Amino acid sequence: EDKVVQSPLSLVVHEGDTVTLNCSYEVTNFRSLLWYKQEKKAPTFLFMLTSSGIEKKSGRLSSILDKKELFSILNITATQTGDSAVYLCAVGLPNTGNQFYFGTGTSLTVIP
Amino acid sequence: DAGVIQSPRHEVTEMGQEVTLRCKPISGHDYLFWYRQTMMRGLELLIYFNNNVPIDDSGMPEDRFSAKMPNASFSTLKIQPSEPRDSAVYFCASSRNYNEQFFGPGTRLTVL
Repeated sequence: EDKVVQSPLSLVVHEGDTVTLNCSYEVTNFRSLLWYKQEKKAPTFLFMLTSSGIEKKSGRLSSILDKKELFSILNITATQTGDSAVYLCAVGLPNTGNQFYFGTGTSLTVIP
Repeated sequence: DAGVIQSPRHEVTEMGQEVTLRCKPISGHDYLFWYRQTMMRGLELLIYFNNNVPIDDSGMPEDRFSAKMPNASFSTLKIQPSEPRDSAVYFCASSRNYNEQFFGPGTRLTVL
């Protein structure tokens, strides 16, 4: 069964649009949730979230975690073509050291 | 900091041949992970090590796959014999405990 589910699977938007990517999970008592951006290469780290309700921001990107409802969202405002990538969500499994379970990702395409 | 180093970056081999992928983690990181990524299955954890000791190898597909970490700065993933269904991008990642994972550039394996 899927522990981490991301939606939508893919998304096509125009430059300047705002997008919201979703990550829901079935893992409880985890330590952290990670967001990664993957272009045509290795995933690169965006955010680590450990506490509910505290928004993390980096430029046009922001993310928030809801541990009660078991989901996280990643927002991108004023999208640019360089934001086109697959965005991966990963949840740390409890009692497994630093092991994370990855979702299948959301593929974002930003059209000029 | 050079980041996680993987070699080779590309490997093309014939079915039945032995394949060895190599990884050098970031210095000071005590966790090392091997992942496989395909379009169909996304990013899958194969095995991970903590302080050079294999912790969880439940993701290793079958006995044809083996991984070693003889010291803190080197790990190998071996496939013997290789099969066309092993074609994928293999990522190595490292981390400190309770921190995000840093990915290497990956090895794109093609088995003909």
